[in-house]
Amino acid sequence: SQKIEQNSEALNIQEGKTATLTCNYTNYSPAYLQWYRQDPGRGPVFLLLIRENEKEKRKERLKVTFDTTLKQSLFHITASQPADSATYLCALPDSGGYQKVTFGTGTKLQVIP
Amino acid sequence: DSGVTQTPKHLITATGQRVTLRCSPRSGDLSVYWYQQSLDQGLQFLIQYYNGEERAKGNILERFSAQQFPDLHSELNLSSLELGDSALYFCASSVTVIAGVGELFFGEGSRLTVL
Repeated sequence: SQKIEQNSEALNIQEGKTATLTCNYTNYSPAYLQWYRQDPGRGPVFLLLIRENEKEKRKERLKVTFDTTLKQSLFHITASQPADSATYLCALPDSGGYQKVTFGTGTKLQVIP
Repeated sequence: DSGVTQTPKHLITATGQRVTLRCSPRSGDLSVYWYQQSLDQGLQFLIQYYNGEERAKGNILERFSAQQFPDLHSELNLSSLELGDSALYFCASSVTVIAGVGELFFGEGSRLTVL
């Protein structure tokens, strides 16, 4: 099954800066990759889906890249705000047919005012 | 509000007991997924149902079982509970059976505490 690695250490950045989170995966390269946001004690909320042929996708202050050669996705939040503080999860479909989505353990982002 | 409803929100029980967690998916969504999230652990996929049929299975213990009913709501049954079963249990739903190509809508979770 897919193994996903996200930086388990919390990322602290200053308000207004760009936060960059990394998601690395092993095994096969999926055709899709998703990013979710999770607040403490809450369910994850979908943010973006990127396809392997898209390389980059944007939504407001969010940008996601997908490098199938490096087996890596980068998630950027520009002009970060304290309200962006949360845990961000990347998720990939399993090689077994896309029914199963595997989540990384997430990176906790703390935006300091 | 994701539109996915989970009950109960909190549950405290003793080892050896059995509990049932309930999930109502978003209106129109045919797929239901169950995930377990232990303290400081990632989301662990348990099982998926599509329109009443089991479609994918993860690392679900034999003590756990699930089903999806004709009205599309789902229940996760946990029996012979152990301390290690204490976790947040999330239900998610999607329109398609193929989770990886579309977004999952998660409920707020059921927090199970086994004493």
